[in-house]
Amino acid sequence: LAKTTQPISMDSYEGQEVNITCSHNNIATNDYITWYQQFPSQGPRFIIQGYKTKVTNEVASLFIPADRKSSTLSLPRVSLSDTAVYYCLVVLSGGYQKVTFGIGTKLQVIP
Amino acid sequence: SQTIHQWPATLVQPVGSPLSLECTVEGTSNPNLYWYRQAAGRGLQLLFYSVGIGQISSEVPQNLSASRPQDRQFILSSKKLLLSDSGFYLCAWSGGGQDQPQHFGDGTRLSIL
Repeated sequence: LAKTTQPISMDSYEGQEVNITCSHNNIATNDYITWYQQFPSQGPRFIIQGYKTKVTNEVASLFIPADRKSSTLSLPRVSLSDTAVYYCLVVLSGGYQKVTFGIGTKLQVIP
Repeated sequence: SQTIHQWPATLVQPVGSPLSLECTVEGTSNPNLYWYRQAAGRGLQLLFYSVGIGQISSEVPQNLSASRPQDRQFILSSKKLLLSDSGFYLCAWSGGGQDQPQHFGDGTRLSIL
């Protein structure tokens, strides 16, 4: 399983764009990069998943460089409700997925 | 659409008592099912996973067991709870195809007294 490294915490003001970078140097060819968001006392919520280049949905964008050894989750114009822990995971696609959740990045949005 | 339900939301149990947490998934068939535990301020630890009825794999040997009596039902059990079993228990499901992320329930907060 590819190990991921991401900042423990980040602060941002409301309305700003937030970029959280995750490194995964030993990512394998068939691995996908997946991001989750977790609020206190709730289960993690899937945000976005990608394999290469850029993926965008209604919530976030995911940027993956050609070497795939890192990825950046971009949250546009954050609000106070985006205060949460964000997890970066590297997942082998298909079938059963053995994933490892680290401690994630605690994002604090400041008014 | 698919939904996942876990209950109860909170549970307080004495040491040595039995445990049964239930998880059910709706809107999909033959999902992969998972049980995780999260200690305070920590990441998620995978406890069990199942790729089909009656098929259970354990990731961490401990005081807990899991069963899958029906396709969309996953149960976490213990015969005798320990203080160290306290934590936040999460059930998740995923599809079996490519690009299928895991989707989590809202968890059960278990406190052992």
